Amino acid sequence: EAGVAQSPRYKIIEKRQSVAFWCNPISGHATLYWYQQILGQGPKLLIQFQNNGVVDDSQLPKDRFSAERLKGVDSTLKIQPAKLEDSAVYLCASSGGGRETQYFGPGTRLLVL
Amino acid sequence: EDQVTQSPEALRLQEGESSSLNCSYTVSGLRGLFWYRQDPGKGPEFLFTLYSAGEEKEKERLKATLTKKESFLHITAPKPEDSATYLCAVRTNSGNTPLVFGKGTRLSVIA
Repeated sequence: EAGVAQSPRYKIIEKRQSVAFWCNPISGHATLYWYQQILGQGPKLLIQFQNNGVVDDSQLPKDRFSAERLKGVDSTLKIQPAKLEDSAVYLCASSGGGRETQYFGPGTRLLVL
Repeated sequence: EDQVTQSPEALRLQEGESSSLNCSYTVSGLRGLFWYRQDPGKGPEFLFTLYSAGEEKEKERLKATLTKKESFLHITAPKPEDSATYLCAVRTNSGNTPLVFGKGTRLSVIA
């Protein structure tokens, strides 16, 4: 069974630029999550989708971050404009099949200069 | 507010030297406690889920236990390949709540 796929793996941008990350969850998983992991910290949820609907986006900085999951499968997370403090690893996870366990992708490492 | 605290922050062991990692939690009602392993440059890898006090799960050299206030991850006779960051997370009973993670314990096993 293929795992959660993410791209790109690394991204370096200047502050005030925009960036987008892509995630393809495990096949059949209805729930998709985006987390932000700052160096030395545990992952923090940004947004949770159930199929193509948003379940929880309470910790998403909506003035600069946006996410979508149009067809209930893959998802994109966008930052516009980026700030220095957005430097982090952005992790995508999925769950489904009646189980709560979340399976994570390899992450996208973002450096904002 | 739900909180998860992991200790120690870092642990250095000799190969074969058994030890335990701690995860203490304060939540309104526990729905599940999750242990993950994270290698440098990779996403967290699922290890165990525990649901009720007294429950234990084992996998190779790892054994996770749960009480009403904390969980332990026991590592028996560790090997260098066990070196990683171990993350603990909780999910509460309150609706569609997200996983709340601790900061992790960085484990180094020296040959």
